[in-house]
Amino acid sequence: KAGVTQTPRYLIKTRGQQVTLSCSPISGHRSVSWYQQTPGQGLQFLFEYFSETQRNKGNFPGRFSGRQFSNSRSEMNVSTLELGDSALYLCASSLGTGQGIETQYFGPGTRLLVL
Amino acid sequence: KNEVEQSPQNLTAQEGEFITINCSYSVGISALHWLQQHPGGGIVSLFMLSSGKKKHGRLIATINIQEKHSSLHITASHPRDSAVYICAVSSRGQKLVFGQGTRLTINP
Repeated sequence: KAGVTQTPRYLIKTRGQQVTLSCSPISGHRSVSWYQQTPGQGLQFLFEYFSETQRNKGNFPGRFSGRQFSNSRSEMNVSTLELGDSALYLCASSLGTGQGIETQYFGPGTRLLVL
Repeated sequence: KNEVEQSPQNLTAQEGEFITINCSYSVGISALHWLQQHPGGGIVSLFMLSSGKKKHGRLIATINIQEKHSSLHITASHPRDSAVYICAVSSRGQKLVFGQGTRLTINP
């Protein structure tokens, strides 16, 4: 099976712009989770989508949003970019039973630089 | 205090040494995950544990639910084991809460 793919891999934006990142899960996986990784805060959970619905959300401002399509592909959007949004954004997919006992498979990440 | 604490934060060893990385957590969990991150960012899931012990090749992971503690061991360490090792916990749902990571360097 193909792994989790993320596009684009690298992105440079300026403050105030918005950005959309894409994640294609492993075939058959219905849950997609998004994480932000920064040197200062480490890895943090953004949100999880399952069957086109947001099932769980982390402590991020409303500028961070996402959606999931019927084929389980997911996008996340960050509006009004700030310098602090510079980070590696990772998505992970899993079958999605929701019991917290599943292995998550991570994509390679999108490295976002905000200037 | 973070919900997930790892130690040590940095570890340098010689090839062939036995490596131990520790993880303590303070919340109720469904499972504990050990992840490996190489330079460049990609994360690989090594183990998912809810009890006992698991082994894969030279890697062994243990968990003590009562003490809320897990260890990751690497036997006969090799320079290719150099990476950041991250402990994470999950409860209900897919949300992972991560430790700060342990940067492991194995010198030849």
